[in-house]
Formats: sequence, structure tokens, C-alpha cells
Amino acid sequence: GENVEQHPSTLSVQEGDSAVIKCTYSDSASNYFPWYKQELGKGPQLIIDIRSNVGEKKDQRIAVTLNKTAKHFSLHITETQPEDSAVYFCAASNTGNQFYFGTGTSLTVIP
Amino acid sequence: EPEVTQTPSHQVTQMGQEVILRCVPISNHLYFYWYRQILGQKVEFLVSFYNNEISEKSEIFDDQFSVERPDGSNFTLKIRSTKLEDSAMYFCASSDPANYGYTFGSGTRLTVV
Repeated sequence: GENVEQHPSTLSVQEGDSAVIKCTYSDSASNYFPWYKQELGKGPQLIIDIRSNVGEKKDQRIAVTLNKTAKHFSLHITETQPEDSAVYFCAASNTGNQFYFGTGTSLTVIP
Repeated sequence: EPEVTQTPSHQVTQMGQEVILRCVPISNHLYFYWYRQILGQKVEFLVSFYNNEISEKSEIFDDQFSVERPDGSNFTLKIRSTKLEDSAMYFCASSDPANYGYTFGSGTRLTVV
């Protein structure tokens, strides 16, 4: 089955700096890659996603890049703000049915 | 914004007891899911449900587990004879056919003592 690895497990950045979280996947059939943000006491919330026919997608301060050949994808957050502090999960799916999640990255934005 | 609602938010149960975790998916969604997250570990897929039947399930989802959509709004996860290692956050999610992205509920923290 699919195996998704995520790095780093923790990340601290100064407010205003950029944050990058990286994931790799093993199943070349995976074609959908969402990113979720989980705040304390809440369920994961979809923040951005990308499909395998696209190499990059951007939504305001958040962008995701996908390298299908290398089987890795990354989340980029620019101009970080304290409210970006949360746990971020990447995931991969080839059916849109079952998602395989990474282990999560705890992001802390220091004011 | 539509939400997936889960109840209870926290459930404590004795080992060997049965628990039912409840979820109300978003009303126009057709796909329903249960995931669990053991403290400090990955979010793990348990089961997906579509058209009143299980469409996929993981190795974790053994005979101890069952799901049901008893009416038009609720989606439940039943765990029979709970074990200590069943202690985790259980997340319900739903999605619509046109959009792969899930909407997750806030989760139920199950503690088996």
C-alpha cells in the first residue's frame, strides 16, 4: 500500500518568515494530494490540495508543489503569522476514497 | 459553512464494553469515513461507506468494528468489546462525489480504562 513520509516533525519560524513542509509518497498511482491543518481540539481542515496533472498550486500565502517523478510534494507558507501555528498533515490518495496521511508537522510561528 | 458533527467529544469506557461513536455528515455528501489517530501518531484510515455499504476498509477495521447509517443523517462507528489500544481520537469525515477533499469532524476522544 501507500506510504507517506513527512518532514520535519516540528518547525519553528519567526513571524513573517516562510515555512516549508515536505512529503514523499511511494505509490505512483496516487493522484490526489491534500494538505490539512489541525488546530488544538479540532479536526483536520483542508487548506489546499493538488492533483497529479498539476505541478504547482497557490492560494494567497499558501502554495503546494508536486514532483511526480520524484514522488514528493511540499507545502509552502509565506509571510507566516501566529495563527498559522498548528499541526499540518499531508496525505495521498489514488481513489479519493482512502487517504494515507503523513505523521504531521507541528508548526510554531514565533511573534 | 457546513460542518461534520461528532458526539460525544470525549468518551470514557471500561475495557470490554461496547461504544458507539456518532457522526452527522454534511447533508449533501454521499461518502462517509472513519479515521483514528492514536496520540502522537498518524491519522489512520478505518473505513469508507457509500450507498449504504462499506466501500473500503483497512486492516485495523476488523470484526470488532462496524458502521451503520441508521437513518438519513447519522453515521455511527460501533466498537465491540473495547481494548486499551482502542484509545484514540476518532474522526468522522464526509465528501461529495465532485470533490475529493474531506470535511472532518472535530473528533471523539475515546479513552478505554
